[in-house]
Amino acid sequence: GAVVSQHPSRVICKSGTSVKIECRSLDFQATTMFWYRQFPKQSLMLMATSNEGSKATYEQGVEKDKFLINHASLTLSTLTVTSAHPEDSSFYICSTQDTGQETQYFGPGTRLLVL
Amino acid sequence: GDSVTQMEGPVTLSEEAFLTINCTYTATGYPSLFWYVQYPGEGLQLLLKATKADDKGSNKGFEATYRKETTSFHLEKGSVQVSDSAVYFCALIIVRDDKIIFGKGTRLHILP
Repeated sequence: GAVVSQHPSRVICKSGTSVKIECRSLDFQATTMFWYRQFPKQSLMLMATSNEGSKATYEQGVEKDKFLINHASLTLSTLTVTSAHPEDSSFYICSTQDTGQETQYFGPGTRLLVL
Repeated sequence: GDSVTQMEGPVTLSEEAFLTINCTYTATGYPSLFWYVQYPGEGLQLLLKATKADDKGSNKGFEATYRKETTSFHLEKGSVQVSDSAVYFCALIIVRDDKIIFGKGTRLHILP
């Protein structure tokens, strides 16, 4: 079965609203989760590293106040896109990695469309 | 279905050795191909990419050529350094649906 789940899988919202995306690790506890953004037909771009119990580490150019990350527990990290605008429309993917393993477990992704 | 297969690790080499990490794929249609690198404690970073057959992606001394006839995208570097120690992921994107598919990753250890 799936190791990492994301909810919702697809969301359409109006400009100016906030959207929360959940990422859950189902089979193991993850102290670290990663959030990526994928623009249409392009590669993944790392947005931030989410650490359980501490503040997320954001990549250069990613607005911390716009993309709020909360790693509330060892199995749940959330990404909130605040005051979403059409340019935020994208595919958001989370991933995690079991300690000592090479394999990255990716969530199925959340497609966000901001009208 | 669409998939990516890459050589299992760990791969251990001495500094200045030649590196090859094999990657083959199966896909319906014409995918774009990528190599990502993950350094310890960090997220994935795009290393290089190729979007059509015979394209060569290159970055930081690494190269990979999109071989449609062998459905491969092997990663190579002529002289590795200790700082290249990381996990490398091969991936493809099926253009028609944007879905990205990753290989399982190959851990590379470079000894000084």
